[in-house]
Amino acid sequence: KQEVTQIPAALSVPEGENLVLNCSFTDSAIYNLQWFRQDPGKGLTSLLLIQSSQREQTSGRLNASLDKSSGRSTLYIAASQPGDSATYLCAVSSQAGTALIFGKGTTLSVSS
Amino acid sequence: KAGVTQTPRYLIKTRGQQVTLSCSPISGHRSVSWYQQTPGQGLQFLFEYFSETQRNKGNFPGRFSGRQFSNSRSEMNVSTLELGDSALYLCASSHLRQGRTGELFFGEGSRLTVL
Repeated sequence: KQEVTQIPAALSVPEGENLVLNCSFTDSAIYNLQWFRQDPGKGLTSLLLIQSSQREQTSGRLNASLDKSSGRSTLYIAASQPGDSATYLCAVSSQAGTALIFGKGTTLSVSS
Repeated sequence: KAGVTQTPRYLIKTRGQQVTLSCSPISGHRSVSWYQQTPGQGLQFLFEYFSETQRNKGNFPGRFSGRQFSNSRSEMNVSTLELGDSALYLCASSHLRQGRTGELFFGEGSRLTVL
C-alpha cells in the first residue's frame, strides 16, 4: 500500500531564504508526482507535475525533483516571500488514473 | 477559462440526512475525481469518473456515491450522514490523454458540517 510522508510538518523561515520541502513514498511504481499549494480554507492549486520518466520540473522560483529509486521528491523554493506562506502537499499517482495519494503536507510560514 | 466550480460552498446537515454536492469541471476536461479532506486523515480519494463511467473508487462505505453526466458535470451523494462525514469535499478535473495521467485542477471545495 502506497504511503506518502512529508517532512517537516511545519516550517518557519524569514523572507528571502531558499528552502527545501521533502516528500517520500513507499512504492516506487508511480505514474507521476504532483506538488500542490493550499491556502487556509481554500482548494488546492497545482504547482508542478513530474511524470515518472522525468527527473525534475521548474516553474519560476519553484523546482521539483523526483528520484523514483529512492522514493523521494523535493520541492525547492528560491528567495521565499510572505506570499509563499501556505500548506504544500505532495501526491503520487500509482496507476493510470487520477487517484492521488497525498501526504499530510508541510505548512510553511514566511515572515517579512 | 473558468476553473472547477463546486456548489454549494458551505452546508450544514444533521445526522441521518443526505447531501448532494455538485462539480462542474474545466471546459474540455472529461475526468472528474472527488476527495475528502479532514484534519485527522488528510486528503483521501473517494472516486473518479471519466466519460460517465466510474473508473476508480477509494475505500469509503457505500453511503458515498457519485455520478457523472454527459456534459462531464459530476455529483456526489452521501446518505445517512454521520458526524465523521464533516469535511471539506474537493472536486478535481483533468484533461486525461491516452496513456498519460494529466495534471489535476481542484475546485474551492464544499465544506460540510454534520450536527
